[in-house]
Amino acid sequence: DIEMTQSPDSLAVSLGERATIHCKSSQSVLSNSANKSYLAWYQHKPGQPPNLLIYWASTRESGVPDRFSGSGSGTDFTLTISSLQAEDVALYYCHQYYRTPWTFGQGTKVEIK
Amino acid sequence: QVQLQESGPGLVKPSQTLALTCTVSGGSISSGSHYWNWIRQPAGRGLEWIGHFYTSGSTSYNPSLKGRVTMSADTSKNQFSLRLTSVTAADTAVYYCAVGAFFDAWGRGALVTVSS
Repeated sequence: DIEMTQSPDSLAVSLGERATIHCKSSQSVLSNSANKSYLAWYQHKPGQPPNLLIYWASTRESGVPDRFSGSGSGTDFTLTISSLQAEDVALYYCHQYYRTPWTFGQGTKVEIK
Repeated sequence: QVQLQESGPGLVKPSQTLALTCTVSGGSISSGSHYWNWIRQPAGRGLEWIGHFYTSGSTSYNPSLKGRVTMSADTSKNQFSLRLTSVTAADTAVYYCAVGAFFDAWGRGALVTVSS
């Protein structure tokens, strides 16, 4: 299985400041033929299903605010919230869909400082 | 926009079979090329992919569930289903259905508790 490890487990950021979450995969999730990394990011709030933010490591889902961005390739990835808003308090998960069993990171809790 | 809704018993006894159905609206499970997935989240823990049913009819399951999983589809009702046998308390979780390789639409989730 491809293990996904996120860091940190939690972080507290002031409103309007930048939040950065890292995700590392135990194997590369880059398809050389497609030149794409099979990596997605989700936001998960209590009582709601997870919400897709980013796919192909850096493509923002339609309707997602542009303060959310994804970067990285191969085994190392980053989700950045450029200016944290109160509504961004949530758990965030990375997910690899390169090889089954598809796997998630353990989650990163983002809070307001 | 595809919408999904889980349904099924909220309480299952240990050693019995958990059975959930996902009803799809706004799109057909038999058209296009899509993965129809089940994902779960035990209380206080992270997300676990259970498996998927592909439009072609093929399936892929998480080996961690040790052969207890079966997925199928009823195209006449535009539904796909999950069966998990020999359940224990460790299978207590919120179960989600979702579509895609990256999950761009989810059901609201169904809490299933395994308890006698």
